[in-house]
Amino acid sequence: DAGVIQSPRHEVTEMGQEVTLRCKPISGHNSLFWYRQTMMRGLELLIYFNNNVPIDDSGMPEDRFSAKMPNASFSTLKIQPSEPRDSAVYFCASGGTSGYNEQFFGPGTRLTVL
Amino acid sequence: GQSLEQPSEVTAVEGAIVQINCTYQTSGFYGLSWYQQHDGGAPTFLSYNALDGLEETGRFSSFLSRSDSYGYLLLQELQMKDSASYFCAVKRIIFGKGTRLHILP
Repeated sequence: DAGVIQSPRHEVTEMGQEVTLRCKPISGHNSLFWYRQTMMRGLELLIYFNNNVPIDDSGMPEDRFSAKMPNASFSTLKIQPSEPRDSAVYFCASGGTSGYNEQFFGPGTRLTVL
Repeated sequence: GQSLEQPSEVTAVEGAIVQINCTYQTSGFYGLSWYQQHDGGAPTFLSYNALDGLEETGRFSSFLSRSDSYGYLLLQELQMKDSASYFCAVKRIIFGKGTRLHILP
């Protein structure tokens, strides 16, 4: 298996632009997680899906952020409009049905908003 | 609320043993996970403790005491490649701020 795939790996954009991050989870995993990591705030959960249904989106900062999972093999995280404070590394992770156990992280997308 | 506390940095010598502690405060506790993250990389799963006691996986071991809301990660025979950040996590989605491990030759 190729593991969790994220694209793009790096994104540089200007304030006010729309940004879309993409994730393909590991085949057969039924949970998908979006995290944001910064030096100041550490690793924060933004949203997670179980069987394609959003379960907890309490970590989504504000209405500028939205996430979708139209099917079991694809998810997007969109920021519109983007702001400099959104600059961070965004990780997607997926997990199986083993309860409160491991999850597998993608390589991350490093987002820079100028 | 829910929180995890771990030291921000730990320094040890190559070949030695180091322990990284984690205390947690959470409702509905199921277990404690540990992840490793190298600079510029993604977190990778190391271990999970659902029950009290020590779990050993090669050079790494993880311990949990549910009554003390405390756990630790033990790294033995330290190698330079173990230089990384280590995170404890609860409820699968709540992570500590991480402990940066520096290894001296």
